[in-house]
Amino acid sequence: NAGVTQTPKFQVLKTGQSMTLQCAQDMNHNSMYWYRQDPGMGLRLIYYSASEGTTDKGEVPNGYNVSRLNKREFSLRLESAAPSQTSVYFCASSDNTEGTDTQYFGPGTRLTVL
Amino acid sequence: AQSVAQPEDQVNVAEGNPLTVKCTYSVSGNPYLFWYVQYPNRGLQFLLKYITGDNLVKGSYGFEAEFNKSQTSFHLKKPSALVSDSALYFCAVRDGKGNAGKSTFGDGTTLTVKP
Repeated sequence: NAGVTQTPKFQVLKTGQSMTLQCAQDMNHNSMYWYRQDPGMGLRLIYYSASEGTTDKGEVPNGYNVSRLNKREFSLRLESAAPSQTSVYFCASSDNTEGTDTQYFGPGTRLTVL
Repeated sequence: AQSVAQPEDQVNVAEGNPLTVKCTYSVSGNPYLFWYVQYPNRGLQFLLKYITGDNLVKGSYGFEAEFNKSQTSFHLKKPSALVSDSALYFCAVRDGKGNAGKSTFGDGTTLTVKP
């Protein structure tokens, strides 16, 4: 039982390049989330998916797209990376059928955009 | 709208002393409250939550938190701190009336426990 896994762990991009961050969970959770963590700003929600086939914008969705590929996988895409997107990205999942949304987090992806 | 505040960026305590990490919140409905811990270069880990019932909630690693509705607070506590408790702690809140998937996190408090 690996929990929530993320790939890659580290990535360096040049401005304007694109990339996709991958996330998978093996806990049969319905909901999945993408956050970014910046110093002194806590976690900010980028997008979330309440269930397979649905996605919704969070607090900071601009410059990102997501795909809920199936119940296990939720990817985050940067179409044209900008230095402001340098951050640590966390994927999380939760079982929203329990009604409380306790979230389980992946180890993170450290992204640097030059 | 919902919000959470962690008024202290940093908390320093000596090993063996009690510790408190503060959190206050604002929601329009009934609050669901969470504490998470983040160790260096790791993702967040769930510590404990308050949904309903007893105001004193016990969680992992000897931590507990007290829900105070009148003061809209949910402070994290531990009777005797360990050096290994040093980490970044996040409080989170969600409005219990729907709003699934949209927990709001505080900015985090760095706890340093000195030997």
